[in-house]
Amino acid sequence: AQSVTQLGSHVSVSEGALVLLRCNYSSSVPPYLFWYVQYPNQGLQLLLKYTTGATLVKGINGFEAEFKKSETSFHLTKPSAHMSDAAEYFCAVSDQGTSYGKLTFGQGTILTVHP
Amino acid sequence: ETGVTQTPRHLVMGMTNKKSLKCEQHLGHNAMYWYKQSAKKPLELMFVYNFKEQTENNSVPSRFSPECPNSSHLFLHLHTLQPEDSALYLCASSQVDREYYGYTFGSGTRLTVV
Repeated sequence: AQSVTQLGSHVSVSEGALVLLRCNYSSSVPPYLFWYVQYPNQGLQLLLKYTTGATLVKGINGFEAEFKKSETSFHLTKPSAHMSDAAEYFCAVSDQGTSYGKLTFGQGTILTVHP
Repeated sequence: ETGVTQTPRHLVMGMTNKKSLKCEQHLGHNAMYWYKQSAKKPLELMFVYNFKEQTENNSVPSRFSPECPNSSHLFLHLHTLQPEDSALYLCASSQVDREYYGYTFGSGTRLTVV
């Protein structure tokens, strides 16, 4: 069975500071890993994903994440936070080869950016 | 239209009303999902439809009744709801055997039960 743990339900940073949102997963087979962002009263939007190949993946809005198999982690980073990054972020995992690609989501991390 | 469209965006209903939420996807996907998102709670998967067949029902109360007439449309019929059912209801779609694409979500329906 697959699971996702996001460390920290709330993260607060200053504008211009590094953003680091943590995600650890468990999976019995090689995983596909995703980060989604949700703005207030909106659906979830795909930020980036890891499937195979390069372990450092880049997404939209300057975000990137690194797949570390030995640490079972997929942390999301952005070098310099912007006010518009304030949102809730969800990490998700999908086992390769599952019958319909079911995603398991973490509990979410709310990012606050203050001036 | 492209992507996943949910209607209505907002809905206020009394506990004795009957209403339906609609979801339509224009992506050619063959799996569709209903999620409930309540304040300060994790995303809750409610129902999964795979090739129009319901493949998962996560112990959802019978006052929620899903319907998937074809692979592009998904409904959630609501009746005799409780105030605790107030939440953001999200629809998503994906392609079976293309799990590396992830899900595409709609913008959600904000439901308030009074």
